[in-house]
Amino acid sequence: DADVTQTPRNRITKTGKRIMLECSQTKGHDRMYWYRQDPGLGLRLIYYSFDVKDINKGEISDGYSVSRQAQAKFSLSLESAIPNQTALYFCATSASRAHEQYFGPGTRLTVT
Amino acid sequence: GENVEQHPSTLSVQEGDSAVIKCTYSDSASNYFPWYKQELGKGPQLIIDIRSNVGEKKDQRIAVTLNKTAKHFSLHITETQPEDSAVYFCAASLGGYQKVTFGTGTKLQVIP
Repeated sequence: DADVTQTPRNRITKTGKRIMLECSQTKGHDRMYWYRQDPGLGLRLIYYSFDVKDINKGEISDGYSVSRQAQAKFSLSLESAIPNQTALYFCATSASRAHEQYFGPGTRLTVT
Repeated sequence: GENVEQHPSTLSVQEGDSAVIKCTYSDSASNYFPWYKQELGKGPQLIIDIRSNVGEKKDQRIAVTLNKTAKHFSLHITETQPEDSAVYFCAASLGGYQKVTFGTGTKLQVIP
């Protein structure tokens, strides 16, 4: 089984809808991250969490919120989806004293 | 904050030729520089990294070089093979296992 899983893998939703993307990991890592990937813009950090009680905004947090329900679970919410939030979203994890990040398979979100 | 620029955005090479991807970073305090490879339909995966106290690092057909003075670092792939076709991301990070800032990505195509 994959160490970092994301659900759903694909989602189409309408403008104004609330949507939640979920991430689970079995690696035992303390740190978790949410990125979005857009063509020509690379990977941009939305939110990150260094432990269950630590949540930090990344470079593009507007329009998003997160919840760290447990060490293994980190959810990303779009309170009112808009078309420019159409993107590929990745969850990643890392150990506290290590640099390497482990990415999930991604969620392709389309907002119409 | 840190800004990482990556060039070129696309690169096509013949199988067996070499490929070079270049990145620059803005924060002279950055001291860790990873490279990630993203295959189609998957999340990025770390392939090699370098720390600021090292000028070059090799791992089989891939190598990374770092010029701290110029704030440049590069990925070199020799004897390219079709399975090297992917999107490659450079990144930079400050010390203390802080979050990383990614470049915009390079889509490498190796033509058989």
